[in-house]
Amino acid sequence: EDQVTQSPEALRLQEGESSSLNCSYTVSGLRGLFWYRQDPGKGPEFLFTLYSAGEEKEKERLKATLTKKESFLHITAPKPEDSATYLCAVQVLLQSNQFYFGTGTSLTVIP
Amino acid sequence: NAGVTQTPKFQVLKTGQSMTLQCAQDMNHNSMYWYRQDPGMGLRLIYYSASEGTTDKGEVPNGYNVSRLNKREFSLRLESAAPSQTSVYFCASSRNQKYEQYFGPGTRLTVT
Repeated sequence: EDQVTQSPEALRLQEGESSSLNCSYTVSGLRGLFWYRQDPGKGPEFLFTLYSAGEEKEKERLKATLTKKESFLHITAPKPEDSATYLCAVQVLLQSNQFYFGTGTSLTVIP
Repeated sequence: NAGVTQTPKFQVLKTGQSMTLQCAQDMNHNSMYWYRQDPGMGLRLIYYSASEGTTDKGEVPNGYNVSRLNKREFSLRLESAAPSQTSVYFCASSRNQKYEQYFGPGTRLTVT
């Protein structure tokens, strides 16, 4: 069964304290892995797409990496405005209509 | 560009009432989607439209119907609302099914 698991569920960081969020997946074949940011009361905002193991993408303080079993979202020197829920989703090969979303990691960055 | 817009933002229904959630996108995307988001669960796909003129069921279609009115608009209808349909509903669109999806701001629906 295709499955996406995110950890931890919640993370509190001091401003400037770097850390990583994890997204592990079990799918029959991966077409793509997507990271989103969701602020309270708003829709998910697209961040990155990763397609193959070893691929990396960066945007400001965020860096996403992909292996054959998991993806990491590294947050370097976070700021309070990085506080949000981060969602990952996988798209299964040969089932391109279906995105499987994880339940997210709620990140709080304390000034 | 407004991106993906949804109406209404909030709605309260009584059990058995019907309503339609509206979604429109101005990005000239071919594919559109409806999701629901519940606490402790990931976003779950209700219905999707790969292209204008086509619709297909997602993971949780029971109790819902959709209409792809044209390339821009995709509506979700609840014919007889039930408390289990209390949720936040998101519409999304993408260039086609192979690409990332862009989400609207959501509709918070409560069924009493």
